[in-house]
Amino acid sequence: DADVTQTPRNRITKTGKRIMLECSQTKGHDRMYWYRQDPGLGLRLIYYSFDVKDINKGEISDGYSVSRQAQAKFSLSLESAIPNQTALYFCATSDGQSSNYGYTFGSGTRLTVV
Amino acid sequence: QKEVEQDPGPLSVPEGAIVSLNCTYSNSAFQYFMWYRQYSRKGPELLMYTYSSGNKEDGRFTAQVDKSSKYISLFIRDSQPSDSATYLCAMSVRYAGGTSYGKLTFGQGTILTVHP
Repeated sequence: DADVTQTPRNRITKTGKRIMLECSQTKGHDRMYWYRQDPGLGLRLIYYSFDVKDINKGEISDGYSVSRQAQAKFSLSLESAIPNQTALYFCATSDGQSSNYGYTFGSGTRLTVV
Repeated sequence: QKEVEQDPGPLSVPEGAIVSLNCTYSNSAFQYFMWYRQYSRKGPELLMYTYSSGNKEDGRFTAQVDKSSKYISLFIRDSQPSDSATYLCAMSVRYAGGTSYGKLTFGQGTILTVHP
């Protein structure tokens, strides 16, 4: 099993619908992140959580919300999807220690809003 | 202005070429610098990381950081078709009083294609 699992892998939804993207991890990391990737724009941070009780907005949080249900689970919701939220979404985890650099990413969810 | 700017490419090189990938940044508080490699339809994977200015070598890959110029580079020697991917630079501040790093800010990514 993958260390970071994202579901669904692909999703097509209609404008105005509510949709939830889920992420679970077996790394035991406290920190979890949601990024979106668009061509030419790289990865942009939507929300991040450094522990279960800590939720922070990233640079592009408008139109999104998150829930940290447990250390291992971090969900991203689009309350009312719009076409410009069509993108590739990645969940990532880290323990944040300089002895163990880097994030572990999931395989991504490709979301299309029509 | 974005905090991190990456040469967008795309780059197309013949097998065996030396590849140079570059990023500049504006936030002088960045102290952790990383390069990620992303294959098509996959999540990014950490390739190299460094904390200080100077060079760090790992096989065919060399990461270079120049904090005075706010410039980082990744060099790939003897490039292979398997190196074809999107390369992303990323960086983070260091939290005061600790050894931990915070959220990563990524560059836009450079698509590299190495032709046999």
